[in-house]
Parts: sequence; structure tokens; C-alpha cells
Amino acid sequence: NAGVTQTPKFRVLKTGQSMTLLCAQDMNHEYMYWYRQDPGMGLRLIHYSVGEGTTAKGEVPDGYNVSRLKKQNFLLGLESAAPSQTSVYFCASSFSTLNTGELFFGEGSRLTVL
Amino acid sequence: SQQGEEDPQALSIQEGENATMNCSYKTSINNLQWYRQNSGRGLVHLILIRSNEREKHSGRLRVTLDTSKKSSSLLITASRAADTASYFCATSSISGYALNFGKGTSLLVTP
Repeated sequence: NAGVTQTPKFRVLKTGQSMTLLCAQDMNHEYMYWYRQDPGMGLRLIHYSVGEGTTAKGEVPDGYNVSRLKKQNFLLGLESAAPSQTSVYFCASSFSTLNTGELFFGEGSRLTVL
Repeated sequence: SQQGEEDPQALSIQEGENATMNCSYKTSINNLQWYRQNSGRGLVHLILIRSNEREKHSGRLRVTLDTSKKSSSLLITASRAADTASYFCATSSISGYALNFGKGTSLLVTP
């Protein structure tokens, strides 16, 4: 099993450009999450999904959109990138609610917006 | 909003010593989890302690939880250089849909 796979691993964008980060998991997990990690800020939740076809906002959703068309994939989109979105993005998944389970993380996608 | 707050922010010890990290949180929780992150890598789950538990062990790890003080501690015994990493606490709310992470403790273990 590959676990949670994120693509791309690195990307440089210019302000105003758009892009999509792809997260794929092969563990048949229901729940998927996108976090961003910034120095001194820890991890902050952007959006999450509790099942195929569902999405919900997290703590810092502005400037991002997500889609969960297939159970195994969770896409994070930036429609018009801004320098404030320079960050490391982590996708994670869990089998059940976090009352009983743990998160499995991908290796991260490092995004720089110039 | 970020729920957990780790203390200290950075910790430097020698191999063989014990490392203790603390986590404080603000609101009621269902469980508290600890994660480890090696430099440039994703987070890896270490241990989960439920709100009705007070102590839990896993190998060289010992976690305590004091819900009255809204705090937890992670003890790593007999530290090794390979334990060098950042350690994060994360709390699960009653709804259990997402984890709120603290800012982490950076641990350096020198040979």
C-alpha cells in the first residue's frame, strides 16, 4: 500500500495563477483532510471531507476550493494564488471519525507563490 | 482555531536522557493524540489517549492526560539520536471530524 500520496511535491507559481493539488489514498478511508503548515503556526485545517461527494470548511478555507468526486481522491484548488498561500500543504486521511481513529499523512506539497 | 499549545518550543538533550514535552488545550476533548514529524516529511501518529484515560504507554513513550488541568505530557525515555524530530499534540473535538494541532516541540537529541 502506498498510503497517502500527494502530487506535485514542489511547485512555484506566480501571483494570480491557478493550480490543483492532488491527494490519493489507497486505504479505503472515508475521511480526508487538507492542512497547511507554516513556520511557527503549526498545522491549520483548510477543508475536509467526510465521504465521497461531501466537503466542509476548516479553519482557513478562504482562497481554496476542494472536491471529492471519488472516495480515494481529494483535490485542493487555488483559483488565484497569492503570496500568503506560500506554505507546505499536507493531505491526510482517516478510516473513521477521529474519536476512534488517527490521521495518516502524505509527505507534503511545498508551494511557493511569487 | 488551534487548540493545543506545546511547551517547550525547543528541547535539546543528549542520547540516553529522557525528553518531556507538554501540551495544554482550551476546550473539552474526546481524545488527544501525539504525532511526530521528521524534517521535510509528513506527520506520523504516535499515540492516542482518550479523555477517560489518565496514562498510556507505547514502547519508550509514556503519555499522561489531566482533563481537569486541560494538559497532557509526552515522555520519551532513553532518547536516541533518531528521536530528533518535531512533536505535535492534537485534540479531537466532541464531533470528531477534525484534529486541531498545536505548534509543536522541536526535539534535538545529540549523540
